Amino acid sequence: KNQVEQSPQSLIILEGKNCTLQCNYTVSPFSNLRWYKQDTGRGPVSLTIMTFSENTKSNGRYTATLDADTKQSSLHITASQLSDSASYFCVVSALTNAGKSTFGDGTTLTVKP
Amino acid sequence: DGGITQSPKYLFRKEGQNVTLSCEQNLNHDAMYWYRQDPGQGLRLIYYSQIVNDFQKGDIAEGYSVSREKKESFPLTVTSAQKNPTAFYLCASSISAISGNTIYFGEGSWLTVV
Repeated sequence: KNQVEQSPQSLIILEGKNCTLQCNYTVSPFSNLRWYKQDTGRGPVSLTIMTFSENTKSNGRYTATLDADTKQSSLHITASQLSDSASYFCVVSALTNAGKSTFGDGTTLTVKP
Repeated sequence: DGGITQSPKYLFRKEGQNVTLSCEQNLNHDAMYWYRQDPGQGLRLIYYSQIVNDFQKGDIAEGYSVSREKKESFPLTVTSAQKNPTAFYLCASSISAISGNTIYFGEGSWLTVV
């Protein structure tokens, strides 16, 4: 069964600090991995998308890494801001399941002043 | 503005009632999706449609129904058979259902059973 596990479940950091969110997956055959940010009560917004051949991708202060061999990904947030407080989801798609992506349960990040 | 519009934002349902959530997109996307999100959890796929007049069940389709009569519209009906419908519902779309395409989400609809 395709699974996506994220850690930690929740995280509290001070404004200006860096943090890293983790994602492990068992989805196979792998197609792509995406990170989404979801503000409370809003729809998720795509941050990055990576395919098998990509190791790292940045979007401003967000940098995602992918190790397809170990089936792990991370999302690194640099110089955190209060607006980074949100839930972050790792979403993995398989080549054989068009339309059906597997979501992790997310990491809830709180950035405090 | 281009995007995905869901309505209503908040909806209350009495026991035994069917309710329909609206989803409209003007992105000219072929694929559309409905997800359910419970507090503190990720999104679970209810139904998806790759093209007009076609749709497939997702992981939790029981108690829900959809239609795709027009490319831009993908309404979701929560039937009385869905025993625990209170949740946050998200509609989404992508250029196609090919897994490499970014999925764009609407702002969501909150459904509460009273």
